[in-house]
Amino acid sequence: GAGVSQTPSNKVTEKGKYVELRCDPISGHTALYWYRQSLGQGPEFLIYFQGTGAADDSGLPNDRFFAVRPEGSVSTLKIQRTERGDSAVYLCASSLSDSSSDTQYFGPGTRLTVL
Amino acid sequence: DQQVKQNSPSLSVQEGRISILNCDYTNSMFDYFLWYKKYPAEGPTFLISISSIKDKNEDGRFTVFLNKSAKHLSLHIVPSQPGDSAVYFCAARDTSAGGTSYGKLTFGQGTILTVHP
Repeated sequence: GAGVSQTPSNKVTEKGKYVELRCDPISGHTALYWYRQSLGQGPEFLIYFQGTGAADDSGLPNDRFFAVRPEGSVSTLKIQRTERGDSAVYLCASSLSDSSSDTQYFGPGTRLTVL
Repeated sequence: DQQVKQNSPSLSVQEGRISILNCDYTNSMFDYFLWYKKYPAEGPTFLISISSIKDKNEDGRFTVFLNKSAKHLSLHIVPSQPGDSAVYFCAARDTSAGGTSYGKLTFGQGTILTVHP
């Protein structure tokens, strides 16, 4: 079956602009995660959803970042007033549930570049 | 604060030999550990995991060892193959976090493994 997909694969924007990054999880997966990977670092947790609700948003760096999952499937990560430091690869993952025995499957990521 | 550390940025081994990738953690609440492999322009792919109630888990050529007292885990790949060349990430979970941080993975910085033919 289809894996996790993310669009766009690349996004270049100017400082101060608003961007939306989309994640389509594996069908039937109730848990969805967003991570951010900067150059030379491992993925850093941002937020995760169990169903439609954000179960843990402790990794969002500030109030410019927001994510939604209105129907419990597709999720959108929204970044307002982008800054150059937001440049990174944004990774989405999904799992059957948030149980530790359920593998998190990652998408290929969206590379965001803020000029 | 880096709660999961992979202190070797890179490792180079000969095909057929053993690759040993190391990972240290500081948070004693972590009780579930995973290794992911990542190729360029792809997302991380799950390799193997281990619960803190075990000290070893094996899956084919891959074995993960956990030393809880030292807060250290390692991934052994035997025999190493050129297709194993990738970035390897260690990750940890605190599954006791009561449904809030329960799902969150904390990753190390990664180790670039190169297996030479």
